[in-house]
Amino acid sequence: ELKVEQNPLFLSMQEGKNYTIYCNYSTTSDRLYWYRQDPGKSLESLFVLLSNGAVKQEGRLMASLDTKARLSTLHITAAVHDLSATYFCAVDSLYNNNDMRFGAGTRLTVKP
Amino acid sequence: DTEVTQTPKHLVMGMTNKKSLKCEQHMGHRAMYWYKQKAKKPPELMFVYSYEKLSINESVPSRFSPECPNSSLLNLHLHALQPEDSALYLCASSPRDQTGELFFGEGSRLTVL
Repeated sequence: ELKVEQNPLFLSMQEGKNYTIYCNYSTTSDRLYWYRQDPGKSLESLFVLLSNGAVKQEGRLMASLDTKARLSTLHITAAVHDLSATYFCAVDSLYNNNDMRFGAGTRLTVKP
Repeated sequence: DTEVTQTPKHLVMGMTNKKSLKCEQHMGHRAMYWYKQKAKKPPELMFVYSYEKLSINESVPSRFSPECPNSSLLNLHLHALQPEDSALYLCASSPRDQTGELFFGEGSRLTVL
């Protein structure tokens, strides 16, 4: 069974600080996704990572993928309050009929 | 047009009611999904339609009945629901291309009394 684990599940950080969210998954997959969800809202796609060593950056967020370690990271640089949200990683795999399985989510709060 | 549109946004129903949730996309995507999301939890896959055929039913109770009239439309028919079915129901579509990326609608928040 495809399992996706995120940590930490809760993250409170101060504005201006850096931090990393980790996402581990259990089966072979070359496709990993990061989504953002604001309270009461839907999911917004942030990054699609399609190969080993892939790195993508958008503003203060940078995502990377290591398929050999089955690990993705979402790095936050100089956090600002607007980044407060829940961040989900998700993986799809041939072993899961290519359907997406989500991690539990990391609830990020950025404080002034 | 990069939107997935869901209606209604909010729905309150009794346990004996029959209602439907609707989803529409005009991006030419050939796969459409229903996810259920409880508060503070990740989305859970309920149904997948790929090329208008139901390809996965994740053992969802029969009180939920999906329908895909065409490649742009997806319905979820609700009957005899239980209070624990109260949740945010998310529709998504995907081109099922190299990326596999999902595009989500705003969701329908369902309350069962």
